[in-house]
Amino acid sequence: EAQVTQNPRYLITVTGKKLTVTCSQNMNHEYMSWYRQDPGLGLRQIYYSMNVEATDKGDVPEGYKVSRKEKRNFPLILESPSPNQTSLYFCASSTRTSWSYEQYFGPGTRLTVT
Amino acid sequence: AQSVTQLDSHVSVSEGTPVLLRCNYSSSYSPSLFWYVQHPNKGLQLLLKYTSAATLVKGINGFEAEFKKSETSFHLTKPSAHMSDAAEYFCVVSPLNQGGKLIFGQGTELSVKP
Repeated sequence: EAQVTQNPRYLITVTGKKLTVTCSQNMNHEYMSWYRQDPGLGLRQIYYSMNVEATDKGDVPEGYKVSRKEKRNFPLILESPSPNQTSLYFCASSTRTSWSYEQYFGPGTRLTVT
Repeated sequence: AQSVTQLDSHVSVSEGTPVLLRCNYSSSYSPSLFWYVQHPNKGLQLLLKYTSAATLVKGINGFEAEFKKSETSFHLTKPSAHMSDAAEYFCVVSPLNQGGKLIFGQGTELSVKP
């Protein structure tokens, strides 16, 4: 089954404790992206990757890191989490069609930082 | 700069009555436009997309949307609401030449009353 998977689905952590949220897709997509969802703000892009070893900042990259060493994986790293990073996080992937990028989303990771 | 405005944060309808979720966009070029749905505690699912082939776009579950360039609108409609349509809906624009970037509206929560 074609899908985007994220782990963990739920995470409660404390300020300053490094964490990684994994994202993997089995569709051989070139493009992958991370979003955070906050009430009243919709989804905002954190980082994206056009292909292996090609990553770039989105709209809200502060406090996050990413890497793209393999095509299928795109982990999100929080080196020193803070309470304002409490949010719902989505990973997405896509391949470019003739016109647009239709993105497929993972199930989400709900992160709470205390 | 491109942007998306969903005109209603919450819409409530009765089962069997029409649904209208309003979306206006701002873009210098003809963008790709999408509607995504998010059911409670679920990821995002693509409802439909506009990619310039036809101004009236049909999606899944009986939803459709009409692209009106003169009004810069992309409203989502359904003739008859079902209880299972209760969810949050996001209007999304993907600007040309920005490598797959998605810009989300703030979301519209649809409630369906029996």
